[in-house]
Amino acid sequence: QQQVKQSPQSLIVQKGGISIINCAYENTAFDYFPWYQQFPGKGPALLIAIRPDVSEKKEGRFTISFNKSAKQFSLHIMDSQPGDSATYFCAASSTSYDKVIFGPGTSLSVIP
Amino acid sequence: DGGITQSPKYLFRKEGQNVTLSCEQNLNHDAMYWYRQDPGQGLRLIYYSQIVNDFQKGDIAEGYSVSREKKESFPLTVTSAQKNPTAFYLCASSIKTGLPEAFFGQGTRLTVV
Repeated sequence: QQQVKQSPQSLIVQKGGISIINCAYENTAFDYFPWYQQFPGKGPALLIAIRPDVSEKKEGRFTISFNKSAKQFSLHIMDSQPGDSATYFCAASSTSYDKVIFGPGTSLSVIP
Repeated sequence: DGGITQSPKYLFRKEGQNVTLSCEQNLNHDAMYWYRQDPGQGLRLIYYSQIVNDFQKGDIAEGYSVSREKKESFPLTVTSAQKNPTAFYLCASSIKTGLPEAFFGQGTRLTVV
């Protein structure tokens, strides 16, 4: 029940296209959903996060969409650029837990 | 600058030797974590600590040990009991456990030969 599923495992998008990564969770106690971005050989960095009381959050080219009833959330990267090529992790947490649960990650490659 | 410092960045050890990875933070965070990342894999939690002198096992604690004698420091020892220690190790911290705004270090790549 604490698992966070993420798809696809890898994604290739042309420059200027839209990258979409999807995540799903089971535990309704989760109340915070962050996304992390990791470049090769580096540690992950917090990219954007959302709480379930809103259905969408946008920061620049990055948008999180949240569907509470379906227990799904997704990351959309608009106008994808080669510099966005990285591994993206969705995650879930709750003040009831002392851990953050990470999805398995999506490797994004944006080709010119 | 505030942040998390992991050292060394690369570490090579012979099989059967214990090795300790350093993690220091100056963010005044109570919670600290150790994760293991294998190629193409997600982040697997090894140990975490909510407060000084206290720590809990994560999902893959076997073959690892930690200490938390100071708020700023959370070293990880990879013991000879860890059967497949070659991996990328990441340390993180947050204000308190359960908060997703974790800050990660740059990682230590451990290779055991």
